[in-house]
Amino acid sequence: DAGITQSPRYKITETGRQVTLMCHQTWSHSYMFWYRQDLGHGLRLIYYSAAADITDKGEVPDGYVVSRSKTENFPLTLESATRSQTSVYFCASSDGTRGNQPQHFGDGTRLSIL
Amino acid sequence: AQTVTQSQPEMSVQEAETVTLSCTYDTSESDYYLFWYKQPPSRQMILVIRQEAYKQQNATENRFSVNFQKAAKSFSLKISDSQLGDAAMYFCAYRPNAGNNRKLIWGLGTSLAVNP
Repeated sequence: DAGITQSPRYKITETGRQVTLMCHQTWSHSYMFWYRQDLGHGLRLIYYSAAADITDKGEVPDGYVVSRSKTENFPLTLESATRSQTSVYFCASSDGTRGNQPQHFGDGTRLSIL
Repeated sequence: AQTVTQSQPEMSVQEAETVTLSCTYDTSESDYYLFWYKQPPSRQMILVIRQEAYKQQNATENRFSVNFQKAAKSFSLKISDSQLGDAAMYFCAYRPNAGNNRKLIWGLGTSLAVNP
């Protein structure tokens, strides 16, 4: 099915563990984004990517790593998870050809770090 | 710094009535885009409506319309004939056309309750 898929939908892990959240889109959108959503903070940009092999930091990049070896995939890794990284994570993509194109979102991953 | 402000953290409306959600933004740019997204309890982020700053005509999508006041830097969302399914968090977002990073600047959201 066309669209943007995040996995897993829910994840529970322990502090200090490495965890990777996956994001896959089938539209061949050039732009991809990772956000975290916390009560009172709205959506905060963690990292974004303009194309394969091009990534850049957003507002809150500390503790996160991204890669984009293929246009369709944009995984987010927490190298050593901390409780403050408990959040809902959204991946989004956007067409780069026209300026008025919105961001399209995955269904989110709820991550709990114990 | 470019910012987006949604001054109403919570609002409520009776079913079938009309409600307006406020959004203001701060920018020195003249060419930009504005968006309203809806996030129901299922937590999906759904695009409701978009507006190009160079267009004077207000965007409409069925029961959803905007009141875009460029000079006042205001972008309110009007929901007509409210339905129970409209209950959600609504986010306003801004993006300048300058630069090429497609990043959005987000407001903190307005939680809308629809009363039967």
